[in-house]
Amino acid sequence: DQQVKQNSPSLSVQEGRISILNCDYTNSMFDYFLWYKKYPAEGPTFLISISSIKDKNEDGRFTVFLNKSAKHLSLHIVPSQPGDSAVYFCAASAKLVFGAGTILRVKS
Amino acid sequence: DAGVTQSPTHLIKTRGQQVTLRCSPKSGHDTVSWYQQALGQGPQFIFQYYEEEERQRGNFPDRFSGHQFPNYSSELNVNALLLGDSALYLCASSTVGSNTEAFFGQGTRLTVV
Repeated sequence: DQQVKQNSPSLSVQEGRISILNCDYTNSMFDYFLWYKKYPAEGPTFLISISSIKDKNEDGRFTVFLNKSAKHLSLHIVPSQPGDSAVYFCAASAKLVFGAGTILRVKS
Repeated sequence: DAGVTQSPTHLIKTRGQQVTLRCSPKSGHDTVSWYQQALGQGPQFIFQYYEEEERQRGNFPDRFSGHQFPNYSSELNVNALLLGDSALYLCASSTVGSNTEAFFGQGTRLTVV
């Protein structure tokens, strides 16, 4: 039973354009969501988070949107840079239920 | 600050053997969580330790056990290894009760042959 789903296994965007990564969840008890970025041979690193009391959180080029009624969140990266190429995981709640990840490739 | 450190980085074991993986949390963190990441999947929560006790557990069999020491470091033990246990094992540390990000180690790549 996948409680957190990332339905796009990969995404390719041009440098300078917007990257939009999506995540859906099924457990309405989740109240805190995080995005992690993972490079090969490294552990995931925290990117940005959002509490369920908000619908948007912004940090520089990264913005996370939360739609609680649709149980959906998305990560926007603008402008995308080649260094953003990595695997992105969304995670929910305190014990971190992860999605399967989306591989982002930013082409220069 | 060394961050979260895990050892060893790579390990090869034979089916049926036992393995112990180690994790030192980030300075100031008191909670350690372990995750298994199989190829092409997101990390799956195994269990979480706080105050030297297992506080939460994911859907993993009893072959997976752990320990937390007074200095907050932790071990993950897997008995009777199966080929399917081959994965990247990640340790994350955090502060109990806070809804903040967890910091991950670089992981231990376990291969069971």
